[in-house]
Amino acid sequence: GAVVSQHPSWVICKSGTSVKIECRSLDFQATTMFWYRQFPKQSLMLMATSNEGSKATYEQGVEKDKFLINHASLTLSTLTVTSAHPEDSSFYICSAIPANGLENNEQFFGPGTRLTVL
Amino acid sequence: SQQGEEDPQALSIQEGENATMNCSYKTSINNLQWYRQNSGRGLVHLILIRSNEREKHSGRLRVTLDTSKKSSSLLITASRAADTASYFCATDPPDSNYQLIWGAGTKLIIKP
Repeated sequence: GAVVSQHPSWVICKSGTSVKIECRSLDFQATTMFWYRQFPKQSLMLMATSNEGSKATYEQGVEKDKFLINHASLTLSTLTVTSAHPEDSSFYICSAIPANGLENNEQFFGPGTRLTVL
Repeated sequence: SQQGEEDPQALSIQEGENATMNCSYKTSINNLQWYRQNSGRGLVHLILIRSNEREKHSGRLRVTLDTSKKSSSLLITASRAADTASYFCATDPPDSNYQLIWGAGTKLIIKP
């Protein structure tokens, strides 16, 4: 099956710094990627939809100036958490939709990035 | 984008027993999917059932779908310690542009 990677897998940073998380589709092109946040023992919460070559669409309550999303190519989307604070500590997961459509409507998920803000 | 409910929230059973988890949703759907997530890890796609299907099997997994009740169940037979994980259902509503609606998840613990 198609593979999606995320980098880094985990990151610890000081409060006030910015952190960039990459989501890459390794063997397919993805016109759409989704970014999720997951707090401990909770379900996934969609943050934004990232479309290649256009601005991301953010879900209600998600600050677009704090969570910057760039989808500059068909294989890479980045999420930058700006001026991170401890409450931003979470597990961030991306998923990718193949440019040639979905087989069985299956999205492909990255392994997630654990962000800890001290 | 969370609208589904899953029960139980947590389930602890002995190895070898069957585990049943339920998922309810609120809107019409194209399909319903089940995922597994090991602690602190990514999601693994288990099985997809389309809205016109009522039951589907994959190995030790059996999924049912009742669109009239807007509910689905996931049965894991002959459970193993390695099945310990959180299980999530996700629905794919029409006109959602592939955005999935997630259930709250069931934490399954298989005791040796």
